[in-house]
Amino acid sequence: DSGVTQTPKHLITATGQRVTLRCSPRSGDLSVYWYQQSLDQGLQFLIQYYNGEERAKGNILERFSAQQFPDLHSELNLSSLELGDSALYFCASSVNRGSATDTQYFGPGTRLTVL
Amino acid sequence: GESVGLHLPTLSVQEGDNSIINCAYSNSASDYFIWYKQESGKGPQFIIDIRSNMDKRQGQRVTVLLNKTVKHLSLQIAATQPGDSAVYFCAETYAGNMLTFGGGTRLMVKP
Repeated sequence: DSGVTQTPKHLITATGQRVTLRCSPRSGDLSVYWYQQSLDQGLQFLIQYYNGEERAKGNILERFSAQQFPDLHSELNLSSLELGDSALYFCASSVNRGSATDTQYFGPGTRLTVL
Repeated sequence: GESVGLHLPTLSVQEGDNSIINCAYSNSASDYFIWYKQESGKGPQFIIDIRSNMDKRQGQRVTVLLNKTVKHLSLQIAATQPGDSAVYFCAETYAGNMLTFGGGTRLMVKP
């Protein structure tokens, strides 16, 4: 158990809908990262927040957004869902801003299925 | 559990043998590398890391080798056990930027 929690574990929804995925980082960690893992794309970095502020952005679609709250938990919002958004979504956390040696610890993931 | 990357390269080894998982990275400026293990239905789990100023680092039953000349990273697992069965990912980063993950290798350990 990494100490990172994610809810829900599974989510099934329809195209065009909007969902929110939630992540609680390890106690004391200030950075939260979101990743998407699909069969054909592997693990793709989406976005990082550090202490409430967006710090880095990866391959995140405009239909997706995230935020980190004062209690450091984070939410990833996915809207206008498409079939291709079906994937595993992982959250990771680290102590600091994400320096070269700042180990990221991953949560168990949320499996999103868009029908 | 869920399957990740059904089309991943697979390494099949006998229990007790040593395993070597290879990774070619893309950015010659990358200065930090990590190996993660992902078991079915779980998130990636940190195994071992190495900085670019080193060419070898050892952990408990695992060794990471870095060859910057050919941009190659390997993970050696000694005395492989059934519990080592998983998908293994290498990841690279430069100057603390976001991690870039490799495609992964599935390790299957035969009893």
